[in-house]
Amino acid sequence: QVKLQESGPGLVKPSETLSLTCGVSGDSISNTYWWTWVRQPPGKGLEWIGEIFHNGATNYTPSLKSRLAISLDKTKNQFSLTLTSVTASDAAVYYCARGGSNWRFEYWGQGALVTVSS
Amino acid sequence: SYDLTQPVSVSVALGQAATITCGADKIITKNVHWYQQKPGQAPVLVIYRDNNRPSGIPDRFSGSKSWSAATLTINRVQAADEADYYCQVWDSHVIFGGGTKLTVL
Repeated sequence: QVKLQESGPGLVKPSETLSLTCGVSGDSISNTYWWTWVRQPPGKGLEWIGEIFHNGATNYTPSLKSRLAISLDKTKNQFSLTLTSVTASDAAVYYCARGGSNWRFEYWGQGALVTVSS
Repeated sequence: SYDLTQPVSVSVALGQAATITCGADKIITKNVHWYQQKPGQAPVLVIYRDNNRPSGIPDRFSGSKSWSAATLTINRVQAADEADYYCQVWDSHVIFGGGTKLTVL
């Protein structure tokens, strides 16, 4: 059974860097899927923010492209998100997910709440 | 940019059918997926590629599509179906609709 689990600090100061990791079990991140990050600000809808393919190719939402990086760690079977210079608008629940055929997301992590505050 | 338009809210009586639309230009050319999200939980895929149900999703859930809108239909609505529902496509990147809150009366 495929499982994804987000981990990382729940509190980040404004202007600092947000880092989250998604551990994957029951599957290998070397398989041909798009490993994806989606976020959801409090009380709002889902926002796709970026993805990484098994070969390291990445796609980012244009609004975050200058601040965002997604990477793979095949030795630990996990992928990570780094978002620099955060502001209050980056506060959200961050989900990792596996993007399958036609970019459908059948497997999601439980979500990690990130608060931005000094 | 490609936008998916969903009604903010839909209300339906218990046991009746609910329909949630997802409007977009030429959506008929896209593969549309639907997710259910209950408070405090991750989204769950309920329909993929327009009208296919993942394993474990009741056949009360179905999807359809026309030239300019995709529709999620939930037949014989139950109290447990009360949730937010999101449509999603890929158009140079992943796009989610704004979400629809389904209220069961």
